[in-house]
Amino acid sequence: GESVGLHLPTLSVQEGDNSIINCAYSNSASDYFIWYKQESGKGPQFIIDIRSNMDKRQGQRVTVLLNKTVKHLSLQIAATQPGDSAVYFCAESRISGGSNYKLTFGKGTLLTVNP
Amino acid sequence: DAGVTQSPTHLIKTRGQQVTLRCSPKSGHDTVSWYQQALGQGPQFIFQYYEEEERQRGNFPDRFSGHQFPNYSSELNVNALLLGDSALYLCASSLFGGVTDTQYFGPGTRLTVL
Repeated sequence: GESVGLHLPTLSVQEGDNSIINCAYSNSASDYFIWYKQESGKGPQFIIDIRSNMDKRQGQRVTVLLNKTVKHLSLQIAATQPGDSAVYFCAESRISGGSNYKLTFGKGTLLTVNP
Repeated sequence: DAGVTQSPTHLIKTRGQQVTLRCSPKSGHDTVSWYQQALGQGPQFIFQYYEEEERQRGNFPDRFSGHQFPNYSSELNVNALLLGDSALYLCASSLFGGVTDTQYFGPGTRLTVL
């Protein structure tokens, strides 16, 4: 079936440490993955994406790693700051084959950054 | 440049009633997608509107319907409300609506069904 899940529902880190948020997916047809950040009272905000022909992609203080063999995705946040405290969602979709515009979201991980 | 706006912010309805939620996309965007987010869960895709037509639909009953206007704004209608329809309803807009086209989410409408 089509599903996206997360290993840990909560993650607590110290300010300045690196954070790693994990995500597992089960749909082998998924070839596009996105990480979103959702702060309290707001809608999800795009962080970074990766296509299945890549295994790593870097942004500003964030890196996404994709392991297609074990269907695993991770988001690494360097030098975590209090403003990074939020719920993080991975989402998956399918680009190949056309006619698909749907994103499937996981349940989310709550990241808390302690000062 | 205005982002995605949604109205109302909060809404309380009783079972069996009907509700209409509204969304104005980000300036320059032509596609609107609607998501339902239950408490503690990730958003679930309801449907996407492009060129005033429903282009794709998720696993939601026909009680959920929508509309897109010529100015690209959109409405989500839910009939015969159930307690389980209580959730945050998110609208996301993008240009062309492809999955690789970045979706910008609004703050959502919190619907409570009593």
